[in-house]
Amino acid sequence: QVQLQESGPGLVKPSGTLSLTCAVSGIRISSSEWWTWIRQSPGKGLEWIGEVYHTGTPLYNPSLKSRLSMSVDNSKNHFSLTMTSVTAADTAVYYCARDARVAAGGLDHWGQGILVTVSS
Amino acid sequence: DIQMSQSPSSLSASVGDRVTITCQASQDIGDYLNWYQQKPGRAPNLLIYDASKLTTGVPSRFSGSGSGTEFSLTISSLQPEDIATYYCQQFDNVPFTFGPGTRVDFK
Repeated sequence: QVQLQESGPGLVKPSGTLSLTCAVSGIRISSSEWWTWIRQSPGKGLEWIGEVYHTGTPLYNPSLKSRLSMSVDNSKNHFSLTMTSVTAADTAVYYCARDARVAAGGLDHWGQGILVTVSS
Repeated sequence: DIQMSQSPSSLSASVGDRVTITCQASQDIGDYLNWYQQKPGRAPNLLIYDASKLTTGVPSRFSGSGSGTEFSLTISSLQPEDIATYYCQQFDNVPFTFGPGTRVDFK
């Protein structure tokens, strides 16, 4: 059974750095293609942040690209998101997910989500 | 960016009703379109991928159709557990944008 679990600080100060990790169990990260980050601002819709290939190659949302970094750690079977210079607009529930689009399928496994609040 | 729109933004229906949600892309995306269901406080759940393929374990009352710029999600007979918000997502071009969602509830 594939499971994903986000972890990281729930509170980040404005202009600070948001760092999240997604632990994957039930499947090796190296056996699947893309691993994704999605966010949802309170009461709002879904925003694709970006995804990272199991080799470490990233795809970023151009609107966020200058502030993003994504990586994978195959030895720990997790992948990570770093976002710099955060503002209140980055307050959201952050989800990690597996993107099975290459093998046929969409975002087929999701973490439960983690609320990150940007506030002083 | 490819813009995704959905209609209606919300709808009210009765148990057993046939419900159809439409999704429109601002440019041709072929069949690179997924549908998700999200219940309050929960992560989205993949229903349909590649526009019309049903995810394993999803009830057969859900179906998807369309290609190019016009797509639809149909629930053939609405059940109480289908009360949720539904999102389409294109994965033809980065960023892989979502529609704004359609909220489905009971009359």
